[in-house]
Amino acid sequence: EAEVAQSPRYKITEKSQAVAFWCDPISGHATLYWYRQILGQGPELLVQFQDESVVDDSQLPKDRFSAERLKGVDSTLKIQPAELGDSAMYLCASSRGQNEQYFGPGTRLTVT
Amino acid sequence: RKEVEQDPGPFNVPEGATVAFNCTYSNSASQSFFWYRQDCRKEPKLLMSVYSSGNEDGRFTAQLNRASQYISLLIRDSKLSDSATYLCVVSRGSNQAGTALIFGKGTTLSVSS
Repeated sequence: EAEVAQSPRYKITEKSQAVAFWCDPISGHATLYWYRQILGQGPELLVQFQDESVVDDSQLPKDRFSAERLKGVDSTLKIQPAELGDSAMYLCASSRGQNEQYFGPGTRLTVT
Repeated sequence: RKEVEQDPGPFNVPEGATVAFNCTYSNSASQSFFWYRQDCRKEPKLLMSVYSSGNEDGRFTAQLNRASQYISLLIRDSKLSDSATYLCVVSRGSNQAGTALIFGKGTTLSVSS
């Protein structure tokens, strides 16, 4: 069964440092999503791509967060500089164009 | 009003019990509805889509009431392996390809022997 791949699985960084997460969606899935999930909350959308184009980044804190999907396949989410409040699980999901989204295992970020 | 609201939980039930989770949503334009399951420190996994006519998958039954903007999930004959957090999920808008999803906070179920 095809899966969404993410790396790293865990990341510890100091505040003010830069950090990057990588996601490889299920092959053939044109739509890719980055979510942030704080403990005890549901996932919240940060950015949505359709192929290489950003469809929705209204909830992305653009002063410190950036995301790209240059070739319309894999994607990178970057935080610079990281803040203590960024500690969370960062989830990548993909879909074929229907609404059923499939999630990767996530990257658990701890900012110290 | 929050976009998606769920029962606060946690629900603690014995094996074999029937348990029901409720969810309400605020956006009347939403067209797609799901229940996802999330195990501790794992990613959410699609449990089932929810259709207007109601749908069943084994021990799980989902219902949708568009007029009341209400979704439910019924689990019959609970198993220990059902212990998890159940997330109610609603599409942000119309049924276009790749519409973003809005997640509830989740309801935690703990099934004991």
